[in-house]
Amino acid sequence: EIVLTQSPGTLSLSPGERATLSCRASQTFSSRYLAWYQQKSGQAPRLLIYGGSTRATGIPDRFSGSGSGSDFTLTISRLEPEDFAVYYCQQYGTSPWTFGQGTKVEIK
Amino acid sequence: QVQLQESGPGLVRPSQTLSLTCTVSSGSISSGSYYWTWIRQPAGKGLEWIGHVYTSGSTNYNPSLKSRVTISIDTSRDQFFLSLNSVTAADTAVYYCARGGITLLDGGLDPWGQGTPVTVSS
Repeated sequence: EIVLTQSPGTLSLSPGERATLSCRASQTFSSRYLAWYQQKSGQAPRLLIYGGSTRATGIPDRFSGSGSGSDFTLTISRLEPEDFAVYYCQQYGTSPWTFGQGTKVEIK
Repeated sequence: QVQLQESGPGLVRPSQTLSLTCTVSSGSISSGSYYWTWIRQPAGKGLEWIGHVYTSGSTNYNPSLKSRVTISIDTSRDQFFLSLNSVTAADTAVYYCARGGITLLDGGLDPWGQGTPVTVSS
């Protein structure tokens, strides 16, 4: 099983700042099978990025994904008020599909 | 735009079987090559992949649940199903269904249902 470890657990930032979220895997895999999700309180997760770096439909270009091997990053270039939420990475290349434990981006 | 909706009992007794249905609308469950997936999330915790059923009917399960879970599909009704037996309080969670893709054009889990809370309690 591929274990995904996200860091930091909580990121405290102000609107307009840049957010950098990390997702590290216990073994290497192709970034084509890496996705990022945003979840707000009381809502279902929403797909942001798939294939490591492809934005899902309707996702603003301030969200970007990068990385390879076992280290992956989600970057939010300039935080908007609606971006404060919990973010999860997920791999879907190897069964069982697995999620990271999440990073909470909170208002500083 | 495909939509998914979970349905089923919100309360299940310990040792009984949890049964949920996911109904696909505004599209056919047979259209394309997708992994129709169940995920759960205990209150205040992260996401756990339960398993999926492929359009062909083949399945894949999380090893941690494999002995208790069955996921099936009914293409004539555009529905897929989750059955989890011998439930305990540890199975209390919000259960989501989602459509999964693995191609470069259609990867990840999207869309998701709104989720349905299930409590295991006597």
